[in-house]
Amino acid sequence: GENVEQHPSTLSVQEGDSAVIKCTYSDSASNYFPWYKQELGKRPQLIIDIRSNVGEKKDQRIAVTLNKTAKHFSLHITETQPEDSAVYFCAASKGTGTASKLTFGTGTRLQVTL
Amino acid sequence: GAGVSQSPSNKVTEKGKDVELRCDPISGHTALYWYRQSLGQGLEFLIYFQGNSAPDKSGLPSDRFSAERTGGSVSTLTIQRTQQEDSAVYLCASSLSGEPQETQYFGPGTRLLVL
Repeated sequence: GENVEQHPSTLSVQEGDSAVIKCTYSDSASNYFPWYKQELGKRPQLIIDIRSNVGEKKDQRIAVTLNKTAKHFSLHITETQPEDSAVYFCAASKGTGTASKLTFGTGTRLQVTL
Repeated sequence: GAGVSQSPSNKVTEKGKDVELRCDPISGHTALYWYRQSLGQGLEFLIYFQGNSAPDKSGLPSDRFSAERTGGSVSTLTIQRTQQEDSAVYLCASSLSGEPQETQYFGPGTRLLVL
């Protein structure tokens, strides 16, 4: 089955700096890659996603890049703010037929310091 | 509109007891997923429902785990003869139709502690 690895497990940046989180996946058939943000004690919330037919997607301070050949994708957060502090999860899905389940990475705890 | 809701929010039980966890998906969503989040781990897929059918049960860890969905809405995850390793946060998610690449919306989870 699919396996998703995520690095780093923890990341501390100063406010205003950029943060990058990287994930690799094993199944070349995966074609959908969402990123979820989970604040302490809260539910995971989708912040951005990318489909395999594009290489990059941006939404304000957040961007995601996808390299299908290397089977890795990354989350980039620019101009970080204290409210960006949370655990971020990457995920992958084949998204065909009944295979809509998400396989998640183990998460990255991002801390933005003042 | 209301998001995905789950109950109870917290459950403490003794080893060997059975527990039932409930999920109310977003109204009109036909696809429903259960995931488990152990401490320091990512979310682990358990089971997927499309309507009342479960075409993918591949993530259920043992036959002590079962789930059902009735009326294409509410789902219940049952864990029989609970073990300490069952302690985790159980998350439910729903999506509109289960189509590929569709956003899954998560509930707040049920935190289960087995003593």
